[in-house]
Amino acid sequence: GESVGLHLPTLSVQEGDNSIINCAYSNSASDYFIWYKQESGKGPQFIIDIRSNMDKRQGQRVTVLLNKTVKHLSLQIAATQPGDSAVYFCAENTYSGGGADGLTFGKGTHLIIQP
Amino acid sequence: EPEVTQTPSHQVTQMGQEVILRCVPISNHLYFYWYRQILGQKVEFLVSFYNNEISEKSEIFDDQFSVERPDGSNFTLKIRSTKLEDSAMYFCASSGGPDTTHEQYFGPGTRLTVT
Repeated sequence: GESVGLHLPTLSVQEGDNSIINCAYSNSASDYFIWYKQESGKGPQFIIDIRSNMDKRQGQRVTVLLNKTVKHLSLQIAATQPGDSAVYFCAENTYSGGGADGLTFGKGTHLIIQP
Repeated sequence: EPEVTQTPSHQVTQMGQEVILRCVPISNHLYFYWYRQILGQKVEFLVSFYNNEISEKSEIFDDQFSVERPDGSNFTLKIRSTKLEDSAMYFCASSGGPDTTHEQYFGPGTRLTVT
């Protein structure tokens, strides 16, 4: 059947290359940011988070950069693998809310890894 | 590794019928959430729940929706009179608590189809 919904931005990279996925947020009060990965038919999977008192945080093959001045968040994935193919969402909320705040998700980017 | 589970994986119902979506959060978590994702769109926050009461809810979470923690393990979302536009993936999530990481762990989702 016909697919209905927003067209996701798509990023296509060669296997082994690095990828950078960008996200803009609008709420100046947000102080906690998270990247999630969503594979087809599954729930969002936590990748990495960062609080607003930092501008960079590294994980295994992933780095998140936060630029509060321009309200911009990016996710860098090093040496991409076929298993990295998924939709990536940024999300935000207020850490000071004590943990009960719902996350506000961005629109998502579809990352395609070319062999 | 502990995980959030959801049942059923797919629910088909007729417009106007009541549905209950079920979730078992991670056992030592204190915060519970429901989100929905309409096909091809971003994940949207519905409600958060802590200490046996709603902490926060979005505009989507109107009087047709309710949540309950009927026992020590289950967390449910009820839609009283389903509408066609309620068709979506519904994700349950949980997180530790105010003095722990804010990381929200998502379940695999329930696909609700309203006909």
